[in-house]
Amino acid sequence: EPEVTQTPSHQVTQMGQEVILRCVPISNHLYFYWYRQILGQKVEFLVSFYNNEISEKSEIFDDQFSVERPDGSNFTLKIRSTKLEDSAMYFCASILIRVGPFFGQGTRLTVV
Amino acid sequence: TQLLEQSPQFLSIQEGENLTVYCNSSSVFSSLQWYRQEPGEGPVLLVTVVTGGEVKKLKRLTFQFGDARKDSSLHITAAQTGDTGLYLCAGGPSGSARQLTFGSGTQLTVLP
Repeated sequence: EPEVTQTPSHQVTQMGQEVILRCVPISNHLYFYWYRQILGQKVEFLVSFYNNEISEKSEIFDDQFSVERPDGSNFTLKIRSTKLEDSAMYFCASILIRVGPFFGQGTRLTVV
Repeated sequence: TQLLEQSPQFLSIQEGENLTVYCNSSSVFSSLQWYRQEPGEGPVLLVTVVTGGEVKKLKRLTFQFGDARKDSSLHITAAQTGDTGLYLCAGGPSGSARQLTFGSGTQLTVLP
């Protein structure tokens, strides 16, 4: 069964460093998303991406965040200068049309 | 800001019992998703409902979307220990490409 895959599963980085989280959405899907979940809190929307551009973003998705679809399969989230409060599980998700979105297993980002 | 309230927050029942969990909002959603999430993993999609009054069945799980598309319920018949987990509802507002608002979840424990 097709699935969204994310790498790495766990990333530890020092405060102020840049990180890139990678995702391979389900191959025929059209909309792509990043969500995050701080430990013990709700899953929160960050950004949606369609037709090679951002379609919606939340207040959390400020200038330190960016997304890219560098080729036909990968979808990345870059955090330019990480802060302690960026520590969270980051989930990539994708959807074709009506059913979903489908989520990946997540990347646990720990900023130290 | 759209909010989704889930109840109960915690539910512990014996194997074989039936249960219902609720997801309520004052806002109208164009779609409503139910997910199940295990610790440290991504949400796994159970169902998407898009039509007011819609009922979908997935084996022993029955999902209903309210007529006004502001609420939903998940009913489990004859619960099994394997049903133990965190159940999340997530709504997509009208006009949005599935920018989901998540509820805080119902933690279900089914005891043998």
